[in-house]
Amino acid sequence: AQSVTQLDSQVPVFEEAPVELRCNYSSSVSVYLFWYVQYPNQGLQLLLKYLSGSTLVESINGFEAEFNKSQTSFHLRKPSVHISDTAEYFCAVSVGTNAGKSTFGDGTTLTVKP
Amino acid sequence: DAGVIQSPRHEVTEMGQEVTLRCKPISGHNSLFWYRQTMMRGLELLIYFNNNVPIDDSGMPEDRFSAKMPNASFSTLKIQPSEPRDSAVYFCASSSGQDAGEQYFGPGTRLTVT
Repeated sequence: AQSVTQLDSQVPVFEEAPVELRCNYSSSVSVYLFWYVQYPNQGLQLLLKYLSGSTLVESINGFEAEFNKSQTSFHLRKPSVHISDTAEYFCAVSVGTNAGKSTFGDGTTLTVKP
Repeated sequence: DAGVIQSPRHEVTEMGQEVTLRCKPISGHNSLFWYRQTMMRGLELLIYFNNNVPIDDSGMPEDRFSAKMPNASFSTLKIQPSEPRDSAVYFCASSSGQDAGEQYFGPGTRLTVT
């Protein structure tokens, strides 16, 4: 079975500051990794994903995450955040079977202050 | 594509009443997931289907909850009888199984049981 640990439940940060949201996973087999974002009163939407290849993956809005197999981590970073990045962020892991089932972390609430 | 469609978006009902939530997955997707989200318990997987067959319903809280998927384009989650502790946002998500588990979420149904 897989598990996901998001190390911070809440991360407050000032606008234009850098941010890192931490995610560690546990699995006995190879995994695929995802970050989802949930804006207020909306469903979750995919932010970025690691399937294979380059361990550094990027989103269209400036977020990036790096797959680190030795540390079993997939931390999410952004060098300069905006007010509009305020949301809840979920890390998830899938093993590519189980009909697409993913295991989600508990979420990290990112609050960007002016 | 219209994405995952859920109805109703909001539901207010009295304790003891039957509630039916509906979901239309993305066309061509063969996996469907029902989640519940609350402040106290976070995001919980209730049940998921693959090719219209229930694969794992271990997350269904009790016998008052039931889910069906009569065809590839429609699923229901029913609560009978409803209780105030069932108040939550219920999400439906679908997956094609070809993106290593990437899930597409609907906008959710906010259920309030008084």
